[in-house]
Amino acid sequence: GALVYQYPRRTICKSGTSMRMECQAVGFQATSVAWYRQSPQKTFELIALSTVNSAIKYEQNFTQEKFPISHPNLSFSSMTVLNAYLEDRGLYLCGAREGGDTQYFGPGTRLLVL
Amino acid sequence: QQKVQQSPESLSVPEGGMASLNCTSSDRNFQYFWWYRQHSGEGPKALMSIFSDGDKKEGRFTAHLNKASLHVSLHIRDSQPSDSALYFCAASPIASSSFSKLVFGQGTSLSVVP
Repeated sequence: GALVYQYPRRTICKSGTSMRMECQAVGFQATSVAWYRQSPQKTFELIALSTVNSAIKYEQNFTQEKFPISHPNLSFSSMTVLNAYLEDRGLYLCGAREGGDTQYFGPGTRLLVL
Repeated sequence: QQKVQQSPESLSVPEGGMASLNCTSSDRNFQYFWWYRQHSGEGPKALMSIFSDGDKKEGRFTAHLNKASLHVSLHIRDSQPSDSALYFCAASPIASSSFSKLVFGQGTSLSVVP
């Protein structure tokens, strides 16, 4: 079956520092990967949509300079949160799709900022 | 402006009862729908998709889509305590494309009381 792994599951960083999170699709070829942030109130914000062999499209309020993403192949994607501050806390979710099929999510990386 | 609206915000049903959740898209371009369920501490898990008018049944879950009104509902019959979770409706402008982004509603919290 289709599975999406994310690591780390939880991370704590000091304000102003950066942290990298990874996403791996197993059992299917992830032709697109979407990164979301789920707020403490449980709402979803789409950060960016990345498709293999195509430019990464960032949503309004999110930039490559703040959330650089790498999607080198059909099974792996990583995103870094640079200069993290309190407003960056939340659950970062990776959703991967093969073509137009259902988007499968990983368990998320929970970011706490001190 | 929220493109996908869900109601109710929270819902409590007795074990064995029927739970009904609603979702409406405010953008006619977003007319392909998915339902996701998220248990505490986990990522969202896809329950089912629906793209055509009418009903779609998968086990105890039935989705109904009215494309004219862009309204989709999810009905859970014989609700179990394990169904207690957050339920999210997600909409997409195109059903079968890697380039198509998924927009989530704000969720419905379902509690099934033994």
